[in-house]
Amino acid sequence: ILNVEQSPQSLHVQEGDSTNFTCSFPSSNFYALHWYRWETAKSPEALFVMTLNGDEKKKGRISATLNTKEGYSYLYIKGSQPEDSATYLCASDNYGQNFDFGPGTRLSVLP
Amino acid sequence: DAGVIQSPRHEVTEMGQEVTLRCKPISGHDYLFWYRQTMMRGLELLIYFNNNVPIDDSGMPEDRFSAKMPNASFSTLKIQPSEPRDSAVYFCASSTGTSGLTDTQYFGPGTRLTVL
Repeated sequence: ILNVEQSPQSLHVQEGDSTNFTCSFPSSNFYALHWYRWETAKSPEALFVMTLNGDEKKKGRISATLNTKEGYSYLYIKGSQPEDSATYLCASDNYGQNFDFGPGTRLSVLP
Repeated sequence: DAGVIQSPRHEVTEMGQEVTLRCKPISGHDYLFWYRQTMMRGLELLIYFNNNVPIDDSGMPEDRFSAKMPNASFSTLKIQPSEPRDSAVYFCASSTGTSGLTDTQYFGPGTRLTVL
């Protein structure tokens, strides 16, 4: 049983398109939500850490929002580029009791 | 800073042998994490330390796994005896700040372990 779910599982978009995907997590005892970008054969790269309901964070063309009451986070990529192709992982921390990763969304940006 | 350093980068061993993976965190980081990545289970947190003290080892799969952090600049993850199902990529990560798990984690390059 996955505590943290992500959708879609995989996604193909054209270069220049904007896209978004979802991370769902248990809202009870929520502490922090992490987003990682993971390219094949490389180490995961931390993108964002969010703790407060309504948080919005931005890094270049990538942004994320957080809703702790309903237990979801969105990751947005504006104007996708081929170099954005990667697996995007989210992880939920519940007061240090569990640190659960979602299965990831595999994004492919086609030139 | 060179970032998080892990060694070896690749390890191939036979079932029953002891395996030791090593990690050097970024200098000044108070938290150190060990993760395992497999195709079946994805990325799993095994254990993490704060100021060299193990805080949560609930992710350690079984007694064959042990981790130590004798000082602020070095940690080991040991598997004894190793089994084929332990084959995975093992990542070490470190972070700083008072919250540990809410701060950015910096990952090492990983150790790819194959147990024959």
